[in-house]
Amino acid sequence: DAGITQSPRHKVTETGTPVTLRCHQTENHRYMYWYRQDPGHGLRLIHYSYGVKDTDKGEVSDGYSVSRSKTEDFLLTLESATSSQTSVYFCAISEEVAGNNEQFFGPGTRLTVL
Amino acid sequence: EDQVTQSPEALRLQEGESSSLNCSYTVSGLRGLFWYRQDPGKGPEFLFTLYSAGEEKEKERLKATLTKKESFLHITAPKPEDSATYLCAVRYPQGGSEKLVFGKGTKLTVNP
Repeated sequence: DAGITQSPRHKVTETGTPVTLRCHQTENHRYMYWYRQDPGHGLRLIHYSYGVKDTDKGEVSDGYSVSRSKTEDFLLTLESATSSQTSVYFCAISEEVAGNNEQFFGPGTRLTVL
Repeated sequence: EDQVTQSPEALRLQEGESSSLNCSYTVSGLRGLFWYRQDPGKGPEFLFTLYSAGEEKEKERLKATLTKKESFLHITAPKPEDSATYLCAVRYPQGGSEKLVFGKGTKLTVNP
């Protein structure tokens, strides 16, 4: 599992409340990613990080912000949650293995916004 | 238009009945095609990376192949434990960086 944990694993919240999801990795990977997965869609990239304090937007970044103050932690924040942000969120890291770039995913966080 | 299309959306097989899943792509300058397995309630599990047409990789009952327009995931003599959703993703250059796009997956069910 490449040492990736996500917290919380499940969360129910109300529209308009702030929510922060945490991704923690133990193997000093430089690149970290946040995706969302919804029925009828492939995994979609929200934001990614290529180092401490270095982040960039993905294809569905509206309504989300991220922070990476330490190599091991990548936080995803929904400043004011909306029902459209109900989804399963996955964190991922990437690393080179035997010359191949491989991406490894965490277990996911299921978020429900009422 | 989707850049990555997986077919079929769902596939039911009997144990031992070999078949193939397809991932077609329309991006230019492919920098890698990835296959993942995802079990319900879990994150995707990396299977293979393919980089160039003609490349093949194998792992147990799975073999992935790549052409200039598509990839196949061949499943030989599947077992019930091979039941999962299989995801394909492609990496390609865009605007000075790289983009990774996922298909919607093929849900495979293998009946005993």
